[in-house]
Amino acid sequence: GAVVSQHPSRVICKSGTSVKIECRSLDFQATTMFWYRQFPKQSLMLMATSNEGSKATYEQGVEKDKFLINHASLTLSTLTVTSAHPEDSSFYICSARDRGQRGQPQHFGDGTRLSIL
Amino acid sequence: GQNIDQPTEMTATEGAIVQINCTYQTSGFNGLFWYQQHAGEAPTFLSYNVLDGLEEKGRFSSFLSRSKGYSYLLLKELQMKDSASYLCAVRGNDYKLSFGAGTTVTVRA
Repeated sequence: GAVVSQHPSRVICKSGTSVKIECRSLDFQATTMFWYRQFPKQSLMLMATSNEGSKATYEQGVEKDKFLINHASLTLSTLTVTSAHPEDSSFYICSARDRGQRGQPQHFGDGTRLSIL
Repeated sequence: GQNIDQPTEMTATEGAIVQINCTYQTSGFNGLFWYQQHAGEAPTFLSYNVLDGLEEKGRFSSFLSRSKGYSYLLLKELQMKDSASYLCAVRGNDYKLSFGAGTTVTVRA
């Protein structure tokens, strides 16, 4: 079945560091990828929609200069958390939609646990 | 936008049946999904409904009534490994998923 690979799975770094997270669709083309954030004991909150070849669209309240998204190819989207601070510590999860399967679910990556010291 | 409600917690005994209800109010509807999420892990897909009725997949079934804005996930023959959070998610016409807060199911021996 469709697989989405997300890397790294865990990051621990100092405040002020920028962190890049990669999301790859391994066996399908994804014109659209989604980035979510999940705080402990809360549900997934959509941050932004990543569109191949165009600018990402951000949800209300999400700073586009803070969370940089690049979707350079049909199989890769990256999220960069710039100048991360402790309040950015969270579980970040990407998902991708197979453009050839309109009725199919989004496939999720394994998530990245980001801890900012 | 979407407003999605589901119970916070449910507890059941191993071997029993549990039904998790989900109600939604939506500005656009393009399918309802159920995901399972174990602590510290990403969600895994369980079921998908876009038409009214029941979809059965082994021990898991999901039902949808679009006119009532209602769905349920039925877990049969509960096993200890079924202890997890179950997320109801509605997909809009823009293919964005909106998630409910999740229902934590605890299976007791």
